[in-house]
Amino acid sequence: EVLLQQSGAELVRPGSSVKISCKASGYTFTDYYMHWVKQRPEQGLVWIGRINPANGNTVYAEKFKSKATLTADKSSNTAYMQLSSLTSEDTATYFCTRRITWGGFDGWGQGVMVTVSS
Amino acid sequence: DTVLTQSPALAVSPGERVSISCRASEGVNSYMHWYQQKPGQQPKLLIYKASNLASGVPARFSGSGSGTDFTLTIDPVEADDTATYFCQQSWNDYTFGAGTKLELK
Repeated sequence: EVLLQQSGAELVRPGSSVKISCKASGYTFTDYYMHWVKQRPEQGLVWIGRINPANGNTVYAEKFKSKATLTADKSSNTAYMQLSSLTSEDTATYFCTRRITWGGFDGWGQGVMVTVSS
Repeated sequence: DTVLTQSPALAVSPGERVSISCRASEGVNSYMHWYQQKPGQQPKLLIYKASNLASGVPARFSGSGSGTDFTLTIDPVEADDTATYFCQQSWNDYTFGAGTKLELK
């Protein structure tokens, strides 16, 4: 069974950074790209970017190129996303998700709620 | 970006058939996928590549379409299907529809 276990909720100050994690199990971590998706309350889902855990190659959506940094640690089967220069617009739930062939996402973390507030 | 347009909400009675539509602003071939999301939970893949049932998903769910117009059908609807349904395309990067909230009468 594919399992993506994310880190806990974060309360952070405006202007700061936060790093959230996503530990994968139940499959070979390096065989699938890991993607990250943002969801604001009562709003839809927005694709942030993806990382190839096998070699660390990353691709970002244009609007997240200066906001998000994706990394992966093969030794611990864990993917990370760091968000920088946080503002209230970054208050959201962030999901990691595994991409399958054809581009659908078949495994999802439980989500990390990030709240940006002073 | 490829914009996906969904109707915001639908209400149906248990046992009925419901069709949820998704229209893409440009052609996405068959690279359309459907998800169910319940409050406080992560999305769950239902249909991939327009018409393929994801593992463990009941056969009450089906998908159709290609190009710009796609449909998710639930037949028959059950009480547990109350949720928001999202379409997502993977032909031009990745975008999601705003979701259709399905309520049961």
